[in-house]
This record gives sequence, C-alpha cells and structure tokens, in this order.
Amino acid sequence: SQELEQSPQSLIVQEGKNLTINCTSSKTLYGLYWYKQKYGEGLIFLMMLQKGGEEKSHEKITAKLDEKKQQSSLHITASQPSHAGIYLCGAPGGSQGNLIFGKGTKLSVKP
Amino acid sequence: EAGVAQSPRYKIIEKRQSVAFWCNPISGHATLYWYQQILGQGPKLLIQFQNNGVVDDSQLPKDRFSAERLKGVDSTLKIQPAKLEDSAVYLCASSLDAGGKTQYFGPGTRLLVL
Repeated sequence: SQELEQSPQSLIVQEGKNLTINCTSSKTLYGLYWYKQKYGEGLIFLMMLQKGGEEKSHEKITAKLDEKKQQSSLHITASQPSHAGIYLCGAPGGSQGNLIFGKGTKLSVKP
Repeated sequence: EAGVAQSPRYKIIEKRQSVAFWCNPISGHATLYWYQQILGQGPKLLIQFQNNGVVDDSQLPKDRFSAERLKGVDSTLKIQPAKLEDSAVYLCASSLDAGGKTQYFGPGTRLLVL
C-alpha cells in the first residue's frame, strides 16, 4: 500500500524566514494535495498538483511536484504567524479517490 | 457557498456509551467521506459514500461503527459501544464526485472517550 512520509515532523522558524516541507511517496503519485490544519480544526485545501514538474503558488506558498512524481515540496516565503499550523500532504490511495495522508508537519512561527 | 458542516464540535463520553456525529456536505457534492484522525497522525478514511451508496468501508470497524447517508445528502456516523482508542477527531469531507476531485473538509468533531 502507498505511504506518504513528511519531513520534518515539526519546525520552528523566526517570522520572516523561508522554510520548506517535504512529502515523499512510496509509489508514483497520481495527484498530490496540500492541506493546512489548525489545531483541533478541519483541513483547509491549499493546492493540488498532478503533473510531473508542476509548480503552483498561492500568496507566499509554493508547492512543487518533482518530475518523477514521487516527492512534493511546500515552500513558504517570508513566514508570518498566520502560517502556523499543521501541513498535511495527501494523495489518492485507492480506486475510489479517497486520500491517504502523511502524518503532518507542525509549523510554529515566532514573532 | 457554505462549507461542510459538522456537529457537535466536541463530545465527551464514557467507554461503552454510544455517540453519533452529523455531517452536511457542500451542496451538490455527490461524494462524502468520513475520516478518523488520531492525535499526531494524518486522517484515515473510515467510509466513503457516492450519493447514498457505500463505495469503500474497508477500514470501518463494523462491529462498533456504522454510517448512513439515506437521502444522499447529509450523513450520520455512529459508534456503539465506544472504546478508549476511539478518542480522535472525526472529519467529514465532500467532493463533487470521486476520482480525483478536491475534497473539502468540515471543522471536525473532537471525541474524548473516558
């Protein structure tokens, strides 16, 4: 079965610094979703990538899917306290379109 | 456009009691999902509905968990009897249909079993 491994597990950065979160799949990715979760809350959809080499940006967050479609990265430029939360990557894990998720990366941003 | 609604937001029960969660998906979304998220883990699919039919319940502990989506709109997830290890956040999500469409999540129900 497919597994998604995220790194790092947690990250503390100073406000204004850049950071990168990685998501590595045990199998070829046929779609990769990035979500953000505040503690105890639901998941907020950030971006979806499908094609090898694809890159998408939204405000100060950029996500990429590598050419081999087995790894994705999420990059935040000039981090702000509002970026704090848990970032989760998810990928279709079955024939019915349901998602499997990584364990998440907890991001803290120090003012 | 209204998002996915869930209730209650929080629930505390004792083991062996029963509990039910409710979800109303985004209007027009045919596919509805229930996920269980244990602290420190990513969400894990429990059951997936397409309209009012079940398409995947392979990871649902059927001896204690049940779910229904009778009219193809809102859904209820029930646990009876609850165990300590059922303490988790229960997330409902919906998408236009299955097969790669983006899933949108509700705020979740945080369950604590004592």
